[in-house]
Amino acid sequence: DAGITQSPRHKVTETGTPVTLRCHQTENHRYMYWYRQDPGHGLRLIHYSYGVKDTDKGEVSDGYSVSRSKTEDFLLTLESATSSQTSVYFCAISQGHDTGELFFGEGSRLTVL
Amino acid sequence: GENVEQHPSTLSVQEGDSAVIKCTYSDSASNYFPWYKQELGKGPQLIIDIRSNVGEKKDQRIAVTLNKTAKHFSLHITETQPEDSAVYFCAASRGTGGFKTIFGAGTRLFVKA
Repeated sequence: DAGITQSPRHKVTETGTPVTLRCHQTENHRYMYWYRQDPGHGLRLIHYSYGVKDTDKGEVSDGYSVSRSKTEDFLLTLESATSSQTSVYFCAISQGHDTGELFFGEGSRLTVL
Repeated sequence: GENVEQHPSTLSVQEGDSAVIKCTYSDSASNYFPWYKQELGKGPQLIIDIRSNVGEKKDQRIAVTLNKTAKHFSLHITETQPEDSAVYFCAASRGTGGFKTIFGAGTRLFVKA
C-alpha cells in the first residue's frame, strides 16, 4: 500500500469551528489531492497541489483552503465548518502529471453538528 | 466541463455470475478512463484503466471496454466472488493528472454466496 496517512480519521465538531485535516505521504510524490465523498456524488476534487507551496482549486473548493509547506504534508482547512461539509475526506497522491493512477488514503470522516 | 454518469447504483449478483457496470462521459476530449474499487472503510484503489487509443483491456477476471463514438465505457467482472463485493467508481480524464479526473457516483456491488 502507498504510504499515505490521514489524521484525524474521525472528527465531530460544531458549526462555525475551524477544522484542519492532515495528509502525510512517504512516497515523495509530487502531486497531492483532497477529495470529498458523498452519497450520490462519487468523489469530488476540493484542492490539489503540484509542488511545495503550489496549489490550485478543484471543483468544490468554496469554504476550504489548503497548504503545502513540505513535500510530504498537505493540509486541508475548513475555516468555519458548516453542516454541508459533513463528509468523508480522502487524500490522494500521484507520481506526476503523466501518471494516471491515484493512490488514496483511508479517509477522514468529519461530522459537523 | 466533464460529466460522468454511472449505472446501476446498486447491483446484486450470485457468486459465479458476471457483473457489468456502465458509464457515459460528456467530454469528447477525455482520453483516460480508470476504474477504482473501494472496500468498506478503505480508500479507492485502481483496478484497471484504459486509454482512448484502446478498445478493450483485460486483466484476469476483469475487463473494460471503451466506445469512443458513443462516449461510454464498461467494466465487466466474470466469475464473481464474494470478495468482489465493494463500491466501484468509473472516472474520466482529459489528461492523466488527478486534477482532471471526474468520477462517477459509484456502483455498490453485492456478490451473494
